[in-house]
Amino acid sequence: DAGVIQSPRHEVTEMGQEVTLRCKPISGHDYLFWYRQTMMRGLELLIYFNNNVPIDDSGMPEDRFSAKMPNASFSTLKIQPSEPRDSAVYFCASSSHGGQGGYEQYFGPGTRLTVT
Amino acid sequence: SQQGEEDPQALSIQEGENATMNCSYKTSINNLQWYRQNSGRGLVHLILIRSNEREKHSGRLRVTLDTSKKSSSLLITASRAADTASYFCATATGGGNKLTFGTGTQLKVEL
Repeated sequence: DAGVIQSPRHEVTEMGQEVTLRCKPISGHDYLFWYRQTMMRGLELLIYFNNNVPIDDSGMPEDRFSAKMPNASFSTLKIQPSEPRDSAVYFCASSSHGGQGGYEQYFGPGTRLTVT
Repeated sequence: SQQGEEDPQALSIQEGENATMNCSYKTSINNLQWYRQNSGRGLVHLILIRSNEREKHSGRLRVTLDTSKKSSSLLITASRAADTASYFCATATGGGNKLTFGTGTQLKVEL
């Protein structure tokens, strides 16, 4: 298995531009998570999906952020317009059916976003 | 605020020594998980302990959970240079799928 795949690995953009981050979860996993990691705030959960449906988006910072999961093998996180404070490493993770007790999450390599 | 807070924030030991990291959390949990993150990489799951378990082992790792004190510890025995990484605890509440990560412990194992 290739694991969770994220693209691009690095993104440098100017303030005001639209940024789209992409994620392919592990095949068969029905949960997908988007996280943001910064030195100041640590690792924050932005949104997660179950069977392609958004379950909890309470961590999405503001309306400039949106996430979609059109099918079981693909998700996007979009920032429009981007701002310098969005600079961070964005991780996608997936896990299989949680049931009672939950299961471990498998993380992608991350996308390092720099907004100038 | 962070659900979990690790202690210490940073730890430096010699190869062969044991490393102990602690995690405290605030609310009732479904399970608690530990992850490792090497510099510039994604997180890797190490071990999961459920709320009704008190201790769990996996290779050189030993995790304990004390729900009365809302705390957990991760022990790495006979550490190796390759163990150098940041270690995070993560707590799962409710249905068990949403994780809240702690602030992490940076472990450095020197030769």
